[in-house]
Amino acid sequence: AQTVTQSQPEMSVQEAETVTLSCTYDTSENNYYLFWYKQPPSRQMILVIRQEAYKQQNATENRFSVNFQKAAKSFSLKISDSQLGDTAMYFCAFMKWDNNDMRFGAGTRLTVKP
Amino acid sequence: NAGVTQTPKFRILKIGQSMTLQCAQDMNHNYMYWYRQDPGMGLKLIYYSVGAGITDKGEVPNGYNVSRSTTEDFPLRLELAAPSQTSVYFCASSLQGYTNTEAFFGQGTRLTVV
Repeated sequence: AQTVTQSQPEMSVQEAETVTLSCTYDTSENNYYLFWYKQPPSRQMILVIRQEAYKQQNATENRFSVNFQKAAKSFSLKISDSQLGDTAMYFCAFMKWDNNDMRFGAGTRLTVKP
Repeated sequence: NAGVTQTPKFRILKIGQSMTLQCAQDMNHNYMYWYRQDPGMGLKLIYYSVGAGITDKGEVPNGYNVSRSTTEDFPLRLELAAPSQTSVYFCASSLQGYTNTEAFFGQGTRLTVV
């Protein structure tokens, strides 16, 4: 079974600075997808970024980028120029390429301080 | 734009009672999902559907039932509620699977079983 581990239950960062959230996963699959979701206090789940395992290039979406290390099974999220609106729970998720069962980590609560 | 609508937002049930959590989407999405989120944990898939008339089990289906008679609606039925079902329930939808398209989440239903 696939497992996703987020080892940082809570993190904080000053506004405008950069922060990196860690995620590791365990799988024997070669083809899969990785995701980062943001959950603000409104409880809405919002897709931040997605990475296909077969792509070597790290995904980027504006201020959000990932460091995907397939051999190490690591998938960290970097948030640059942090904004107050980035305050939220962040979930890392894994899914096999032929499956709809997305497995989530326990989450990291990020607080951006003014 | 309504997106994914869940009702009710909050509910308290007594042990042994039954209820249906409603989920509706107006985006003509084929895929719909039900998740539960326990305190301090990530989401776990209960059931999903790839189209009207088709449903399949996820990671934690026991104690729940679903049906998908229309594209728009995907209700989740709890029979004989138990304290272990105290959780926040999220419904989501996507045009295709997660690998091809973004999933949109509802704002959740907080259920307490006492």
